[in-house]
Order: sequence, then C-alpha cells, then structure tokens
Amino acid sequence: GENVEQHPSTLSVQEGDSAVIKCTYSDSASNYFPWYKQELGKRPQLIIDIRSNVGEKKDQRIAVTLNKTAKHFSLHITETQPEDSAVYFCAASMPGTASKLTFGTGTRLQVTL
Amino acid sequence: EAQVTQNPRYLITVTGKKLTVTCSQNMNHEYMSWYRQDPGLGLRQIYYSMNVEVTDKGDVPEGYKVSRKEKRNFPLILESPSPNQTSLYFCASTDQLAYEQYFGPGTRLTVT
Repeated sequence: GENVEQHPSTLSVQEGDSAVIKCTYSDSASNYFPWYKQELGKRPQLIIDIRSNVGEKKDQRIAVTLNKTAKHFSLHITETQPEDSAVYFCAASMPGTASKLTFGTGTRLQVTL
Repeated sequence: EAQVTQNPRYLITVTGKKLTVTCSQNMNHEYMSWYRQDPGLGLRQIYYSMNVEVTDKGDVPEGYKVSRKEKRNFPLILESPSPNQTSLYFCASTDQLAYEQYFGPGTRLTVT
C-alpha cells in the first residue's frame, strides 16, 4: 500500500519568515495530495490540495508544489503569522479512492513572535 | 449547517467491554472513513466506506468493526476493547467530487 513520509516533525520559525514542509510518497499511481491543518484540540481541516496533473497551486500565503518524478510534494507558507501555529498533515490517495487516504505523521509548526 | 457529528466525545471504559462510537453526516456524502490519531503516528485509517453496505479495511483495522446500513451513519464498533486502542478517533465524510474530507470533532477513548 501507499506510504507517506513527512519532514520535519517539528518546525519553529519567526513571524514573517517562510516555512516549508516536505512529503514523499511511495506509490506512483497516487494522484491526489491534500494538506490538512489541525489546531490544538480541533479537528483536521483541508487547507490546500493538488492533483497530479498540476505542478503548483497557490492560495494567498500558502502554496503546494508537486514533483511526480521524484514522488514528493511540499507545503510552503510565506509571511507566517502566529495563527499558522498548528500541526500540518500531508496525505496521498489513488485514483477512484477519494476515501482511501494515507497521511504523513505530521509537522508541528510553531511561529514565534 | 453541513457537519459530521460523533458521539460520545469522551469515553473511559474497561478492557473487554463492547462499545460503539457513532458518526453521522448531513452532507449526503457517499464516502465515509474512520481514523485514529496517536502521537508521532499521525492519522491512520481504520476502515472506509464508499457506499451503503460497502466497507473496506484501512491501514489498521484489527480490533475494529464498522457497518454502513444508511448513507448518513457509519458507526465504529470495538467488540472487545484493549488498552492499545486508547486513542483519539475521527470520523470523516468525503465529497467524492472535490475529494475533501470533512472530519468530525473527535472521540477521545481511554481503555483501562
């Protein structure tokens, strides 16, 4: 089955700096790659996703890039703010299996003032 | 309001005492899933369902059962809970067109 590795496990940045979280996946058939944000004590929520026919997607301060050849994808957060502090999870799924999602182990991002 | 609900939100039980965690969604989604979240291990899928009466194992199905008799409900059953099933459990339903998973609020289970 699919295996998703995520790095780093913790990341501390100063407010205003950029943060990058990286994930690799094992199954080249995977074609959908979402990122979820989980604030302390809350449920995970989708923040951005990308499909394998696209190399990059941006939404205001966040962006995701995908390298299908290398089987890795990354989350980029620019101009970080304290409210960006949370745990971020990457995930991957294969065609026709929107419900079968394999998650990475998460990155705890701390934005310091 | 579109939502996924879970009950109970907190549960402390003893080894071997059967329990059910309910999950319900009001978005008419066909796909639903159960995950457990443990520190350092992220979210691991237990079971998923792509339609009524259609369920399949996720990555960590041992010790769990599910049923999908109605589109809106997807209960998680622990027939004989053990301490290693102490975890935070999330139910999710999926918009099959957009692929976005909507998570419930979570159920914190402690098995002593």
